[in-house]
Amino acid sequence: EAGVVQSPRYKIIEKKQPVAFWCNPISGHNTLYWYLQNLGQGPELLIRYENEEAVDDSQLPKDRFSAERLKGVDSTLKIQPAELGDSAVYLCASSLGRAGDEQFFGPGTRLTVL
Amino acid sequence: GQQLNQSPQSMFIQEGEDVSMNCTSSSIFNTWLWYKQDPGEGPVLLIALYKAGELTSNGRLTAQFGITRKDSFLNISASIPSDVGIYFCAGQLSYIPTFGRGTSLIVHP
Repeated sequence: EAGVVQSPRYKIIEKKQPVAFWCNPISGHNTLYWYLQNLGQGPELLIRYENEEAVDDSQLPKDRFSAERLKGVDSTLKIQPAELGDSAVYLCASSLGRAGDEQFFGPGTRLTVL
Repeated sequence: GQQLNQSPQSMFIQEGEDVSMNCTSSSIFNTWLWYKQDPGEGPVLLIALYKAGELTSNGRLTAQFGITRKDSFLNISASIPSDVGIYFCAGQLSYIPTFGRGTSLIVHP
């Protein structure tokens, strides 16, 4: 069974440019998560989807970040415009959808903003 | 955002040695989780603990859920080179885990 797929794996952009990340969760997983992981830190939640509905987005900086999961499967996370401090790893995870279900993480997208 | 207190920050050990790391929080959690993250990969769940006082083993790994529900430890026995990586604890109430800052483990052959 394929795991969580993320692309691109690496992205280097100049500040003020837009950037988008894509995630394909494990088949059948209703819940999808986007996390931010800074160097030397653990992951921090940005947004959680249950099917196509964003149910927890309190940590998402909405002035520049946006996310969508239109058909309740794939998801994209966008930053516009990117700032130097956005350099980090962006992790996607999915789970079956019940509280306490194991989350399976993708390999992440490493973003470098110059 | 909140991060749990995880220690030690890093460990350098010889192959065959035992390892112990712990995690504390000012908040109570219903679940404690231990993950391992290899370079360039996402975290992978090692052990999940669901009850206060619970002691669970997974091969050479043993973890315990503290009685107060505010702490947990992870032990690795007889370490091997492939144990190298970053270990994260996480406390969870319902859907969202709160992670520690990680313990970086290096095992010398």
